[in-house]
Amino acid sequence: KNEVEQSPQNLTAQEGEFITINCSYSVGISALHWLQQHPGGGIVSLFMLSSGKKKHGRLIATINIQEKHSSLHITASHPRDSAVYICAVRGGNLIFGKGTKLSVKP
Amino acid sequence: NAGVTQTPKFQVLKTGQSMTLQCAQDMNHNSMYWYRQDPGMGLRLIYYSASEGTTDKGEVPNGYNVSRLNKREFSLRLESAAPSQTSVYFCASSRVRGLGTDTQYFGPGTRLTVL
Repeated sequence: KNEVEQSPQNLTAQEGEFITINCSYSVGISALHWLQQHPGGGIVSLFMLSSGKKKHGRLIATINIQEKHSSLHITASHPRDSAVYICAVRGGNLIFGKGTKLSVKP
Repeated sequence: NAGVTQTPKFQVLKTGQSMTLQCAQDMNHNSMYWYRQDPGMGLRLIYYSASEGTTDKGEVPNGYNVSRLNKREFSLRLESAAPSQTSVYFCASSRVRGLGTDTQYFGPGTRLTVL
């Protein structure tokens, strides 16, 4: 079983929809990261969190340490949000999920 | 500021050849990382350097060596390249010392093909 599982693997949405991407992990962690990989391959860090909730613009990340689960929400989605979203956890090592590919249609 | 730079952008090697991937950051960051990304596998940590003068193995270190030359530069060496090392390699850096303890800034990647 992978230590970090993301769902869904692929997601297609219409512009304006509310989007949720999930990340579950099986190890004890000290931090969880959300990253965005653009279609051209560039990677940008979105959030690092160890508890609670963080918000940046239309993006919201939450984490529930007891349930070993984090969610990334995108409000009022836009085609420019189309990317792969990657979750990573910092336990004994730094382990990444395989990503969720999001496509937002106009 | 250039952020994190990587050279080369593309490279083709024959099996058994050696090469060094270069990475530099101009943000005065303490920690630096090397990852590989393969289709269907996600990013995997090869080596990291939590501070100048230290290096540690990540998830997939076999076949690689690293050097933290100074605070700015962190190189990744393939001594004898194998087709299994065909991948996209990313370098990253973060301000705070330690593994995964701070926001990471990524370089543009190096696409390596080993024939």
